[in-house]
Amino acid sequence: DIQLTQSPSTLSASVGDSVTITCRASQSFNSWLAWYQQKPGQAPKLLIYKASTLESGVPSRFSGSGSGTEFTLTIGSLQPDDFATYYCQQYNSYSGLTFGGGTTVDI
Amino acid sequence: QVQLQQWGAGLLKPSETLSLTCAVYGGSFNGYYWSWIRQSPEKGLEWIGEINHAGSTNYHPSLRSRVSLSVDTPNKQVSLTVKSVTVADSAVYYCARGGRSAGGPADYWGQGTLVTVSS
Repeated sequence: DIQLTQSPSTLSASVGDSVTITCRASQSFNSWLAWYQQKPGQAPKLLIYKASTLESGVPSRFSGSGSGTEFTLTIGSLQPDDFATYYCQQYNSYSGLTFGGGTTVDI
Repeated sequence: QVQLQQWGAGLLKPSETLSLTCAVYGGSFNGYYWSWIRQSPEKGLEWIGEINHAGSTNYHPSLRSRVSLSVDTPNKQVSLTVKSVTVADSAVYYCARGGRSAGGPADYWGQGTLVTVSS
């Protein structure tokens, strides 16, 4: 299985800050990586797929990049609605799709 | 607008069988894979498996021996069965729409079902 490690696990920031979350894979794979946002009591919401393609309706302040074993999610200017937990997910392995451990962005 | 509505028993005893069903409203059913994903404080988000309208399945290797997915295409429903549950199977279970091919990202999710396994 491909293991995904996210860093940091918790990130404290303020409205207007630019923040970056990193997702590192235990082995290289093509860029079929997704990012999700989850708020308490809600299902995850797809933000980005194929490492850098923004899902329809997602604000442009969210961006993704990376390839191989290192991927990043950047939120350009944090808004109050962005304080949540973010997960990466790889979906190119038929031995199992896996999620990262999550990064909580709080004030 | 695609909506997924899921239901099933929320309280089980060890060794019992977990059964959940997810109904899809709106959008195409036949063009996608449909996934089950669970979330617990101990394990985080864990993909269980996926199935398409024709019954083609992929399962998480660690769960394959106890998990079964089925599909009812005319009624646009998918179902999850987990045999011989233990306390470790306690989690919020989600159904979600995957990609048009196996292993795609999940863009629509059900509301989640809290399953508790306790004696």
